[in-house]
Amino acid sequence: ETGVTQTPRHLVMGMTNKKSLKCEQHLGHNAMYWYKQSAKKPLELMFVYNFKEQTENNSVPSRFSPECPNSSHLFLHLHTLQPEDSALYLCASSQAGGSMETQYFGPGTRLLVL
Amino acid sequence: QQQVKQSPQSLIVQKGGISIINCAYENTAFDYFPWYQQFPGKGPALLIAIRPDVSEKKEGRFTISFNKSAKQFSLHIMDSQPGDSATYFCAAIFSGSRLTFGEGTQLTVNP
Repeated sequence: ETGVTQTPRHLVMGMTNKKSLKCEQHLGHNAMYWYKQSAKKPLELMFVYNFKEQTENNSVPSRFSPECPNSSHLFLHLHTLQPEDSALYLCASSQAGGSMETQYFGPGTRLLVL
Repeated sequence: QQQVKQSPQSLIVQKGGISIINCAYENTAFDYFPWYQQFPGKGPALLIAIRPDVSEKKEGRFTISFNKSAKQFSLHIMDSQPGDSATYFCAAIFSGSRLTFGEGTQLTVNP
């Protein structure tokens, strides 16, 4: 295990539902990330948090809303999603700073939007 | 341009063979090049990484070859095993930036 856990591992939701993805890191890192992984596409960085502060939002639609209450926990709140949002959502953490930054990934949440 | 191009998209190798995955980048500011390995149902995990001041790095059966002038780097898996079957991502980063990933290569090693 990498020290990064994600729940739930699988999620099926309708377009009108509201759900949340949870990520927790046990590595003492100060940066956390959300990525979207779709088939045959590069990993897409969605959000970055450094010391609980959001430092990047890569033009992500507002139907995705991140929350970082402390440096160990990260949430992704989902509402009124579209079928094209179906993907694997990965959380990662790192000790930010410097170019040799190694990110540790969780196992991901497989999301299906019906 | 913070792009990293990876090829091939998929690769089938016989057990014992050599698997080679190639990546090319544009931004000369990149100064750290990691490779990640992802098994089904798991997140990507760091496999091996290289800085551009060396041309090769070897860890067990895995070797990164780096060609700074051509802005290319590659992963070689010697004596490939069925357990190596996974998706491999190259990536690049420089200080102050974020990891930029390639598109991924799905490797299948047949027994």
